[in-house]
Amino acid sequence: GENVEQHPSTLSVQEGDSAVIKCTYSDSASNYFPWYKQELGKRPQLIIDIRSNVGEKKDQRIAVTLNKTAKHFSLHITETQPEDSAVYFCAAGKGGSNYKLTFGKGTLLTVNP
Amino acid sequence: GAVVSQHPSWVICKSGTSVKIECRSLDFQATTMFWYRQFPKQSLMLMATSNEGSKATYEQGVEKDKFLINHASLTLSTLTVTSAHPEDSSFYICSADGTSGYTGELFFGEGSRLTVL
Repeated sequence: GENVEQHPSTLSVQEGDSAVIKCTYSDSASNYFPWYKQELGKRPQLIIDIRSNVGEKKDQRIAVTLNKTAKHFSLHITETQPEDSAVYFCAAGKGGSNYKLTFGKGTLLTVNP
Repeated sequence: GAVVSQHPSWVICKSGTSVKIECRSLDFQATTMFWYRQFPKQSLMLMATSNEGSKATYEQGVEKDKFLINHASLTLSTLTVTSAHPEDSSFYICSADGTSGYTGELFFGEGSRLTVL
């Protein structure tokens, strides 16, 4: 099955700095890579996703890059703000009748004012 | 986006009792729903895939007789924790694919925090 590794497990940055979270996956057939943000006690919320036919996607301060050859993808948050503080999960999945997402272990991001 | 509602949001029960958690897709039909379990400060672990009108597919290590899943309609899946024990205490979250067919964005319910005394 799919195995997703996520690093770092914790990340602390100063407000205004950039934050980068990296994930690797094992199943070369995976073709969908979303990132979720989860605040304490709340449900995960999709913040950005990328499919295997695209190498990079950006949405305002958030961007995701995908390297299919190396089987890794990264989340980039620029100009971080205190409200960006949360746990971020990457995930990998593939379509078909056995579709499911496998999540990384999460990164606790703390943005210090 | 699509809305998934989960109920109850928290429940406390005595050891040995059963607890049912409901997951509803409010504004779309979900052929497939997923049940996750999340321990404090840990990741989302997929327990099972719930398919409307058929048996759920359980992940390795998940007891299907303990965690009963029923997906009787395109908008409702239920998870019943039978004969609950303190080690079953956890945060249970359901999700549904908002786009039928291919891989799509998963929309999560609010989660249900189960505490077994």
